[in-house]
Amino acid sequence: SQQGEEDPQALSIQEGENATMNCSYKTSINNLQWYRQNSGRGLVHLILIRSNEREKHSGRLRVTLDTSKKSSSLLITASRAADTASYFCATDPSSGSARQLTFGSGTQLTVLP
Amino acid sequence: KAGVTQTPRYLIKTRGQQVTLSCSPISGHRSVSWYQQTPGQGLQFLFEYFSETQRNKGNFPGRFSGRQFSNSRSEMNVSTLELGDSALYLCASSRNRDNTGELFFGEGSRLTVL
Repeated sequence: SQQGEEDPQALSIQEGENATMNCSYKTSINNLQWYRQNSGRGLVHLILIRSNEREKHSGRLRVTLDTSKKSSSLLITASRAADTASYFCATDPSSGSARQLTFGSGTQLTVLP
Repeated sequence: KAGVTQTPRYLIKTRGQQVTLSCSPISGHRSVSWYQQTPGQGLQFLFEYFSETQRNKGNFPGRFSGRQFSNSRSEMNVSTLELGDSALYLCASSRNRDNTGELFFGEGSRLTVL
């Protein structure tokens, strides 16, 4: 079963606007990652934030993490039509060494030109 | 540097058959994970291998199995296929031995079971 829930499930905005997606998770984490997926393709890593970090930036992306609320948000600024894709948060557990990401349900972002 | 390569990209099978999917990780990556993606269940972890050892397995029946070779290439096998096994199967590799750092995904193998 999925650990995370993402909100909203779908988001439609105009080019140039900002897009905000939220993610909630259930268990302790080592880090939280955001991935992007174009329709039917593989996932592309966007950004990783560690459990001891609160905010991280990468280009037009800004990620926040609130471990007390077990939530994260991804902000895409000045969106472009090419940003149209599904976005997933994924958590890496705080215990153990094996890799096992637990993915959220995803947000389908549509950026209208 | 070449990315993660999955073969075949598309395949169609009938119920009861078996299928083998292949994954070649990025050179130097020793961790390989497999995920199943369906519209209903989303992305679900299947198993992870490191240096030919299965370190973790998701909540899937024994019909789902995998292995990793000494060159880090990995295969997964699904026996006695069911309609519900239709999915996009994604392979991912990682440089790190532990659970830090990002995963690099392949384009996936889309399996359709008729």
